[in-house]
Amino acid sequence: GESVGLHLPTLSVQEGDNSIINCAYSNSASDYFIWYKQESGKGPQFIIDIRSNMDKRQGQRVTVLLNKTVKHLSLQIAATQPGDSAVYFCAEQTGANNLFFGTGTRLTVIP
Amino acid sequence: EPEVTQTPSHQVTQMGQEVILRCVPISNHLYFYWYRQILGQKVEFLVSFYNNEISEKSEIFDDQFSVERPDGSNFTLKIRSTKLEDSAMYFCASQMGAGTYEQYFGPGTRLTVT
Repeated sequence: GESVGLHLPTLSVQEGDNSIINCAYSNSASDYFIWYKQESGKGPQFIIDIRSNMDKRQGQRVTVLLNKTVKHLSLQIAATQPGDSAVYFCAEQTGANNLFFGTGTRLTVIP
Repeated sequence: EPEVTQTPSHQVTQMGQEVILRCVPISNHLYFYWYRQILGQKVEFLVSFYNNEISEKSEIFDDQFSVERPDGSNFTLKIRSTKLEDSAMYFCASQMGAGTYEQYFGPGTRLTVT
């Protein structure tokens, strides 16, 4: 089956700094990628998505970069705030609508 | 803002018992999903549901599992005879329809099998 994984399980950043969370995927046929944020005790919350025909997409304080050559996805959070502390998952979708999630990176923002 | 709701928030059951987890998807959404997350692990796809039938299911979704949309609002996941390894958070998600890809997740039901 598809395999989506993360390079780092934890990431600590100072408040105000930029955060970069990385993700590797193995299925080159995936055509849609999403970043989700999961706070303790809650369900995954959509952050930003990107189609495979794009290499960059920007949202409010977040940017997703897609490098299909090396099957790598990253999430950049600008000016990280304490409220950004959570587990971040990348997920991929191939044809069918179901999502395949990575194992998650825990982001801790140090005030 | 519309949201997916799930009940109960926590369900404790004994091994071998049947459980039904309930979800109310966002009202104008057409695609529905169940995922599970074992503590400390990644979210895993279980099943997708569209037009009153299962679209796709994973290897996890064996004969002990079933889904139903009994009326116009509820979407349920039934586990017929629970096992210890069924203990996990179960998330329901819904998606508006073809051409939109964002899935909205509910807060989850924590299932504990003893």
